[in-house]
Amino acid sequence: QVQLVQSGAEVKKPGSSVKVSCTASGGSIGSHMVNWVRQAPGQGLEWMGRIIPLFGTVNYAQKFQGRVTITADESTTTVYMEMSSLRFEDTAVYYCARERSVVIAFDIWGQGTMVTVSS
Amino acid sequence: DIQMTQSPSSLSASVGDRVTITCQASQDIRNSLHWYQQKPGKAPNLLICDATNLETGVPPRFSGSGSGTEFTFTISSLQPEDIATYYCQQSDNLPFTFGPGTKVDIK
Repeated sequence: QVQLVQSGAEVKKPGSSVKVSCTASGGSIGSHMVNWVRQAPGQGLEWMGRIIPLFGTVNYAQKFQGRVTITADESTTTVYMEMSSLRFEDTAVYYCARERSVVIAFDIWGQGTMVTVSS
Repeated sequence: DIQMTQSPSSLSASVGDRVTITCQASQDIRNSLHWYQQKPGKAPNLLICDATNLETGVPPRFSGSGSGTEFTFTISSLQPEDIATYYCQQSDNLPFTFGPGTKVDIK
């Protein structure tokens, strides 16, 4: 069974960038869309974007277009989400989630990465 | 963007009670509606996909119904382990959007 393992917590200054990784273990995610979803403290879930690692095709929520870059490595086992120009309100848990092939639902999630933006 | 609303925002019920959560989409999303359970400090967990299909291993006390713009999520007999926040999510159109969540606890 595929598991998604994310990189550890980050503390960043406003205006800086952060790069979070999501690595598949126990299988491949190359042909699946991998999505990024964030959750601010005490708040709901917000979809950010997705990539299909095998082809590099990416979609972004308009809110994050230009500030978020989602990439995958050549082995297609690791997906990255990089966010630039960090603001205090970007403090959140960032999740990666695999999108099932036929039904567009998120069936496997990473454990989450806490990103704290603080001066 | 498709707006998703959920009601109620929170509820308190007794063990064994039937619990119902509704989710409304701002436009027709056919059956492209999924339900997730999130426990504190944990990632969401997919319970129901395409409005009515129970995920493997999910107890049958959970069910979903609806299509178009109106959807319902039901727990037929609330158990202590069901304490969580439940989210609906549409995948008919990008950007994918989630409902604001319904927090369920035990009375």
